[in-house]
Amino acid sequence: DAGVTQSPTHLIKTRGQHVTLRCSPISGHKSVSWYQQVLGQGPQFIFQYYEKEERGRGNFPDRFSARQFPNYSSELNVNALLLGDSALYLCASSSDRVDSPLHFGNGTRLTVT
Amino acid sequence: QKEVEQDPGPLSVPEGAIVSLNCTYSNSAFQYFMWYRQYSRKGPELLMYTYSSGNKEDGRFTAQVDKSSKYISLFIRDSQPSDSATYLCAMSAVGTGGFKTIFGAGTRLFVKA
Repeated sequence: DAGVTQSPTHLIKTRGQHVTLRCSPISGHKSVSWYQQVLGQGPQFIFQYYEKEERGRGNFPDRFSARQFPNYSSELNVNALLLGDSALYLCASSSDRVDSPLHFGNGTRLTVT
Repeated sequence: QKEVEQDPGPLSVPEGAIVSLNCTYSNSAFQYFMWYRQYSRKGPELLMYTYSSGNKEDGRFTAQVDKSSKYISLFIRDSQPSDSATYLCAMSAVGTGGFKTIFGAGTRLFVKA
């Protein structure tokens, strides 16, 4: 079975631009979460979606938004990019069991210049 | 104070050593405890998942949870160079915003051949 897939793997953007990152969850998983991981730190929670509805939001500015599609794939959008947005963006999926752990993709490495 | 504290290391050990990795937490609402392994340029990989206090063993890995002390550990026996990676502790609680998973900063482990 395919794991969580993310695209693109790498991305270079300029300050002020916007970016869209994509994620396909493990087949059968209905929940998708997005995390930001800055070099040398643990992943920081951005969003969680379940059945196309936002279930949770971390402490990130409104420049960050996301959505989930009927096939449970998801997009993370970041507007007005700042240098500090440079990070590894991780997508994780989980089943609809309340105690299901997260399974991660390999992330999209975003560099903002 | 961070919700989850983890010593970032780095921790360097010889091959065959027993490794002990630890995290403390402050939120008594955490119910589920996980350890992830993250290789360079990869996403976190789930290693261990526990719910109750006590020990859980899987091969060379043992996860230990002490809810009364708000302390979790991961032990790696007979460590191998292939164990060299960053180890992330994570814990989850069910709240009004859904099922949220919070990560520690990660401990970098180097196992020398």
